[in-house]
Amino acid sequence: AQSVTQPDIHITVSEGASLELRCNYSYGATPYLFWYVQSPGQGLQLLLKYFSGDTLVQGIKGFEAEFKRSQSSFNLRKPSVHWSDAAEYFCAVGGVGSYIPTFGRGTSLIVHP
Amino acid sequence: EAGVAQSPRYKIIEKRQSVAFWCNPISGHATLYWYQQILGQGPKLLIQFQNNGVVDDSQLPKDRFSAERLKGVDSTLKIQPAKLEDSAVYLCASSPEVGTGAGNTIYFGEGSWLTVV
Repeated sequence: AQSVTQPDIHITVSEGASLELRCNYSYGATPYLFWYVQSPGQGLQLLLKYFSGDTLVQGIKGFEAEFKRSQSSFNLRKPSVHWSDAAEYFCAVGGVGSYIPTFGRGTSLIVHP
Repeated sequence: EAGVAQSPRYKIIEKRQSVAFWCNPISGHATLYWYQQILGQGPKLLIQFQNNGVVDDSQLPKDRFSAERLKGVDSTLKIQPAKLEDSAVYLCASSPEVGTGAGNTIYFGEGSWLTVV
């Protein structure tokens, strides 16, 4: 069965600092990987996705993620965090033959001024 | 392009009462999803439709939850009778196709927040 682990429940960073959110997945075949962001009171917005090809994926709002098959990871990064990035971030995994993505529990990002 | 529309945004009901949520997907999207998101957890799929047929409802508590998409466009999710543990955000989403294939992005609505007291 497919699963996602986001080991950090909360991450606190200062505005302007770099950010890395961790995601580890379990999937029996080539995975499709996603990062979504959820601002308070809002639905989920897709930040980026990986299907194949270049393992470094660029997304919206200055985010990027790197797929590392050997580590079963798909960590999300941003070089300089803005206060508006404070939100809940969800990693998800799907793949060929999978009808739906499976979501992790989420990581809450807190940004200090 | 209009996004996924949901209503009501917020609802408070007493346990054993009933509630219904409505969703209108992005125009032309064949696949519609209902997710339940309990506080502190990731979204969990309840039911997935392709057009007006059910693709997956394996995690839908069928003794109290029901959903329909009669004309293959908008959808209604009903809970009757509600329990305290049903307090959650109910997210509707849509995508052009079934599955997580390349290019088949899932778009989410803002959610319907349910509190059962």
